[in-house]
Amino acid sequence: AQKITQTQPGMFVQEKEAVTLDCTYDTSDPSYGLFWYKQPSSGEMIFLIYQGSYDQQNATEGRYSLNFQKARKSANLVISASQLGDSAMYFCAMRELTPYNYGQNFVFGPGTRLSVLP
Amino acid sequence: DTAVSQTPKYLVTQMGNDKSIKCEQNLGHDTMYWYKQDSKKFLKIMFSYNNKELIINETVPNRFSPKSPDKAHLNLHINSLELGDSAVYFCASSQEDLGSPLHFGNGTRLTVT
Repeated sequence: AQKITQTQPGMFVQEKEAVTLDCTYDTSDPSYGLFWYKQPSSGEMIFLIYQGSYDQQNATEGRYSLNFQKARKSANLVISASQLGDSAMYFCAMRELTPYNYGQNFVFGPGTRLSVLP
Repeated sequence: DTAVSQTPKYLVTQMGNDKSIKCEQNLGHDTMYWYKQDSKKFLKIMFSYNNKELIINETVPNRFSPKSPDKAHLNLHINSLELGDSAVYFCASSQEDLGSPLHFGNGTRLTVT
């Protein structure tokens, strides 16, 4: 079963507008971490933001914020004031507490390709 | 200073050959990983290596073998390369706590002809 779902294969947003990238996850573990990564066309994987399952506040990092709704098992990434350089693939990932439950240590979603339009 | 470095960046080889990709991290992390990213950009974990314990994804063919000479290195050896092995391979490392993100190398694009 898919542990991380990103339902938007591609998204478009106008420069300077905000955009939300969806991520839902599946786990029965009470302790887990949620991460977002950016992969520009150059190919490197860039860590953006982290949310712990016990964190009361939504995580924020500059223009990135994470809309964490635990009951709904969603961890959507919000990018404010989009820039042309934000055009990239974005991956949601989950890390579970059990390190040796192989394949579930760090699981990635299929990604969303974001295109920022001038 | 590059935190996670892998070489080579590009690797073009013929079917049936054996090749290796090297990975080194200078972050002092406990765990290293190999991921495969296919043409559809899907990231699939292949191996994780923690304190000399290797965890293998059972779906990975045994032609793939990780080798860790020490905590800072996790190399990937691939025997009898096949066309379907063409992909981008990422090395990564992290600390073993829930909030520690993966730090990725820049990837190795493997093309099997």
